[in-house]
Amino acid sequence: DAKTTQPNSMESNEEEPVHLPCNHSTISGTDYIHWYRQLPSQGPEYVIHGLTSNVNNRMASLAIAEDRKSSTLILHRATLRDAAVYYCILRDVGAAGNKLTFGGGTRVLVKP
Amino acid sequence: DADVTQTPRNRITKTGKRIMLECSQTKGHDRMYWYRQDPGLGLRLIYYSFDVKDINKGEISDGYSVSRQAQAKFSLSLESAIPNQTALYFCATSDVDLASGRRSYNEQFFGPGTRLTVL
Repeated sequence: DAKTTQPNSMESNEEEPVHLPCNHSTISGTDYIHWYRQLPSQGPEYVIHGLTSNVNNRMASLAIAEDRKSSTLILHRATLRDAAVYYCILRDVGAAGNKLTFGGGTRVLVKP
Repeated sequence: DADVTQTPRNRITKTGKRIMLECSQTKGHDRMYWYRQDPGLGLRLIYYSFDVKDINKGEISDGYSVSRQAQAKFSLSLESAIPNQTALYFCATSDVDLASGRRSYNEQFFGPGTRLTVL
């Protein structure tokens, strides 16, 4: 599986945007970019995914570089509830199954 | 009620004991997964199952076995627990891919986790 690289941690103030970078320089043409987050003492939950175009949903936005070697998850207005570990994951849609390979993720701290 | 449940939520056991962790889901999904998480690290896949007749090893299956008793139930067993199996264990489910195999994603839904301590 292609590997992703994320910063270990980031801090943000409440109500401000948070930009979480992810590098995936070895991404293949059949890899989708997925983001999951894990709130304290909970299982991971899906946030967003994309292939080439930028994506928006109620939780976040995903900006994908034109060469697809990096992407950024954007939380538009961070709340205390957004404090979590955010995982950037590449999933090969051509591979059998739906296996997610988690890296270390970015721990986001939101300050009031 | 939660869609994906795990029992027990916490378990302390001794080295050499046989342990079974259970996962049940009401989402009607065919695919189920078992992951483990060690402190400060991401999740690693242990086993996964596409349906009741299908079992596949993940990246760290040694020392574990699974049973898919029904579509809704997927159990993880540690035949002889050892201390380095102390971890947080998560079960997850997802829907099947479309017949074309080109569906863009299948969101995985995770249970609340089981914290296992092997002394």
